[in-house]
Amino acid sequence: EVQLLESGGGLIQPGGSLRLSCAASGFTFSTYAMSWVRQAPGKGLEWVSVISGSGGNKYYTDSVKGRFTSSRDNSKNILYLQMNSLSPEDTAVYYCAKVQRTIMGYFEDWGQGTLVTVSS
Amino acid sequence: EIVLTQSPATLSLSPGERATLSCRASQSVGSYLAWYQQRPGQAPRLLIYDASNRATGIPARFSGSGSGTDFTLTISSLEPEDFAVYYCQHRASWPKTFGQGTKLEI
Repeated sequence: EVQLLESGGGLIQPGGSLRLSCAASGFTFSTYAMSWVRQAPGKGLEWVSVISGSGGNKYYTDSVKGRFTSSRDNSKNILYLQMNSLSPEDTAVYYCAKVQRTIMGYFEDWGQGTLVTVSS
Repeated sequence: EIVLTQSPATLSLSPGERATLSCRASQSVGSYLAWYQQRPGQAPRLLIYDASNRATGIPARFSGSGSGTDFTLTISSLEPEDFAVYYCQHRASWPKTFGQGTKLEI
């Protein structure tokens, strides 16, 4: 059974940094692309980033380019999202998701999410 | 960026009825469209991928159709657990955008 467990969320001041983690199990982690998807309170879903299985290819939505960095440790089966220069607009539940097939695939399995609140 | 527009925003139906949800893309996405279900307090769940393929474990009452710019999710006979928010999402190009959602309520 695929399990994805996010951690690292919390309350952070504007301009601050935070690193999210997603511990994966139940599948061969290194062979799947992984994504982060966020959901602001009471709002819809927004794709944030994707990283290939090897970690060599990464894509980001425009609003986080240059501020967020996705990485992975395939030896530990962990996905990361380093978030810098945070603003209140980044307040959301952040989900990690296993991507179906290729890096362009859909999000076939999801974690339960971790809440990031950016506020002074 | 491809914009996905879902309609209606809210759909009020009763258990046993048929639900038809729509998703329209601002430009062609071919068949590269998925549907997700999100129940309150839960993570989204993949229902349909590539317009018409049910994901693993999804009941047969869920079906998807369409191509190009117009897509439909149909739930043939609503069960109580089907009342949730539904999102469409494409994978035709970057960024992989979602629609704004349709709330299916009793």
